[in-house]
Amino acid sequence: GAGVSQSPRYKVAKRGQDVALRCDPISGHVSLFWYQQALGQGPEFLTYFQNEAQLDKSGLPSDRFFAERPEGSVSTLKIQRTQQEDSAVYLCASSSRTDSYEQYFGPGTRLTVT
Amino acid sequence: GESVGLHLPTLSVQEGDNSIINCAYSNSASDYFIWYKQESGKGPQFIIDIRSNMDKRQGQRVTVLLNKTVKHLSLQIAATQPGDSAVYFCAFLGGKLIFGQGTELSVKP
Repeated sequence: GAGVSQSPRYKVAKRGQDVALRCDPISGHVSLFWYQQALGQGPEFLTYFQNEAQLDKSGLPSDRFFAERPEGSVSTLKIQRTQQEDSAVYLCASSSRTDSYEQYFGPGTRLTVT
Repeated sequence: GESVGLHLPTLSVQEGDNSIINCAYSNSASDYFIWYKQESGKGPQFIIDIRSNMDKRQGQRVTVLLNKTVKHLSLQIAATQPGDSAVYFCAFLGGKLIFGQGTELSVKP
């Protein structure tokens, strides 16, 4: 079956622009996670949804980062007024469980802020 | 704080040899460890996991060893193949998934 998909795969933004990154989880998965992966580093947790509820947003680096999952399926990660340090790969993962086990990752969106 | 780190950032092996990738962790409360493989342009892919009440677990061509005394985790890949070339991450589950820095495995044919 279809896995987790993300779009766009690549995004170039000028500093100060707003961007929106989309995640389509595996159908029926209740849990959805966003991660930020800097070059050469492991993914770092940003936020977690269980259905439409954002239960943990402790990893969001600033108030310029906002995530939503209004209908409990597709999720959008929005970054306002992008800065160069926001350049990274943004990964989405989903799980059929309500804990952090068995996460399936999407291919990521590579964001480059110039 | 909690962290997971790797001893070697890169590893180059000959095809057919065995590979060993190491990882150190600092959080004693973790009860679940996972190894992921990440190929270029893709997201992390689950390889194998192990619970803290175990010291060894085997999969297909892979074995994970856990030494809780020295807080050390390793991934052994038998008969390494070119398709095994990727970055390997250890991670542990402590409420949320926490990843280490990664080791790049390069397999020479």
